[in-house]
Amino acid sequence: TQLLEQSPQFLSIQEGENLTVYCNSSSVFSSLQWYRQEPGEGPVLLVTVVTGGEVKKLKRLTFQFGDARKDSSLHITAAQPGDTGLYLCALRTAGNKLTFGGGTRVLVKP
Amino acid sequence: DAGVTQSPTHLIKTRGQQVTLRCSPISGHKSVSWYQQVLGQGPQFIFQYYEKEERGRGNFPDRFSARQFPNYSSELNVNALLLGDSALYLCASSLGLGSYEQYFGPGTRLTVT
Repeated sequence: TQLLEQSPQFLSIQEGENLTVYCNSSSVFSSLQWYRQEPGEGPVLLVTVVTGGEVKKLKRLTFQFGDARKDSSLHITAAQPGDTGLYLCALRTAGNKLTFGGGTRVLVKP
Repeated sequence: DAGVTQSPTHLIKTRGQQVTLRCSPISGHKSVSWYQQVLGQGPQFIFQYYEKEERGRGNFPDRFSARQFPNYSSELNVNALLLGDSALYLCASSLGLGSYEQYFGPGTRLTVT
């Protein structure tokens, strides 16, 4: 079973600061998804990365897929309180099932 | 269009009891998956249904069961509840089994006392 490890588990920063969260696997994965989950809601898909070395940008969020396709990172520039939430990486396996990492809880203080 | 809906929102049960959780997928979506999210952890896959047939089962005991109805809605049943079953139960729907985006509902918060 392929496991995803996310780090750090918790991150607290001030508004305007930058942050990076990481997702690592011991095995190569074909594609990786990033989700954000806010309190009282289900996860919402942010991006899917499929190519080694791929970089995708979504406003102030930058997603990178490692060259070896065993790791990924999410970088947020000039974080806002609205970025607060649980960030989850997930593998999509055969049949469209999702295997999630443990998540990184981000708190952006005003 | 309405998103994925789940009921009830919250539920409190006693150990040993049984519970049924309900999910209505987005209109036109034929696949429903269930996930368990224990506090402080990522969601774990429980079941996947497509066209009323079970298409996947995670590493959960037989106390957990589910079904999908002709209108593609779904129920998750848990028997003989344990304290460790306390969690947020998420339902996700997608168009099918291919590389389609999964859309999650807000979840049902189950507390077992």
